[in-house]
Amino acid sequence: AQSVSQHNHHVILSEAASLELGCNYSYGGTVNLFWYVQYPGQHLQLLLKYFSGDPLVKGIKGFEAEFIKSKFSFNLRKPSVQWSDTAEYFCAVNDPSSASKIIFGSGTRLSIRP
Amino acid sequence: NAGVTQTPKFQVLKTGQSMTLQCAQDMNHEYMSWYRQDPGMGLRLIHYSVGAGITDQGEVPNGYNVSRSTTEDFPLRLLSAAPSQTSVYFCASRRSGELFFGEGSRLTVL
Repeated sequence: AQSVSQHNHHVILSEAASLELGCNYSYGGTVNLFWYVQYPGQHLQLLLKYFSGDPLVKGIKGFEAEFIKSKFSFNLRKPSVQWSDTAEYFCAVNDPSSASKIIFGSGTRLSIRP
Repeated sequence: NAGVTQTPKFQVLKTGQSMTLQCAQDMNHEYMSWYRQDPGMGLRLIHYSVGAGITDQGEVPNGYNVSRSTTEDFPLRLLSAAPSQTSVYFCASRRSGELFFGEGSRLTVL
């Protein structure tokens, strides 16, 4: 079965620092990839998604992610973080046995120091 | 549009009690799903449905039951609650690959 690894459990940055959060998945082939964000006290929202085409995907709020098929990776980046980016970030990918199953990673908590 | 609505938002149960978490969506999405969120484990898929009358198991289905009689509703049933089911539960519908989440239901089983 598909699995998703997010190696950074908690990342602490200062405002204006650059951000990169890692995401690796286990099974290749045709994959649909997602990053979701959960702000404190809120439900999850989609940041960006990749289905096909340009492997560099731009999302909301200045976030982007790069799909590297050879590395089974879909890392999230932002050149300059803000205090309002404090949240938990989840990478997700479809299970190859069923596109209807979306499997999430364990999440990365991002704390931004003002 | 209300989106995805979950009730109740908070619930405390005793071991062995049963209850149903309600989920309704008004976006006419065929796909609906239930996840549980636990610290350090992310979201784990419990059950999902690709349309009325069709349900399937996710990663952690044991102890949970679902049915889908209408497009709008997808209730999650706990037949005999256990402390291991203490969690935050999220219902989500899906369109064009994007999941739309409800605000969550926090369940504590004593």
